Amino acid sequence: GQQLNQSPQSMFIQEGEDVSMNCTSSSIFNTWLWYKQDPGEGPVLLIALYKAGELTSNGRLTAQFGITRKDSFLNISASIPSDVGIYFCAGHGSGTYKYIFGTGTRLKVLA
Amino acid sequence: GAVVSQHPSWVICKSGTSVKIECRSLDFQATTMFWYRQFPKQSLMLMATSNEGSKATYEQGVEKDKFLINHASLTLSTLTVTSAHPEDSSFYICSAPPQAGGGADTQYFGPGTRLTVL
Repeated sequence: GQQLNQSPQSMFIQEGEDVSMNCTSSSIFNTWLWYKQDPGEGPVLLIALYKAGELTSNGRLTAQFGITRKDSFLNISASIPSDVGIYFCAGHGSGTYKYIFGTGTRLKVLA
Repeated sequence: GAVVSQHPSWVICKSGTSVKIECRSLDFQATTMFWYRQFPKQSLMLMATSNEGSKATYEQGVEKDKFLINHASLTLSTLTVTSAHPEDSSFYICSAPPQAGGGADTQYFGPGTRLTVL
């Protein structure tokens, strides 16, 4: 199936550092969602974006819907050990309710 | 956020048997639910869309006779893996949009079901 390009694939960072990851699509999306998945569990919704240019925060997390509507990024500020996990972006275009998922960014935080 | 549950959380079965997985929306009604499969260290791949009161729609390459979906009520969808084989071993996750009529501004996921076929 179709997937979004998400980068980086994985990253190791020191506790307290900021993290940035992004997602790009070849087609225009109407909605972008960002999820975090811990091992053996289902994804948990972090942030939802519905308009081009929209910038939304959820605690230490900030996500933006790209102006071109073909990309989105997620920032995590002052990372902590519990930020470890896999982060997925997901999006859908017009005329469909089916979401496409990114390839995931595996985050590891070094204490 | 809206709560979606799945049962069982894990199951081990013998090759050739059938396994049923339930997905329930606990605090909202869902006319549409989605079933995903996730292999280790990979992303989520949509298998099918479950529609209350009508047939499920399957993604390309997904065998509808092998993965039977029944959306019995506005809060329950079931996925039955028929004649399971080791290659069907995977993490199966359902999701549902918390809006009536299937509108999907967001999706909330269940905790997943780990299927292991021996």
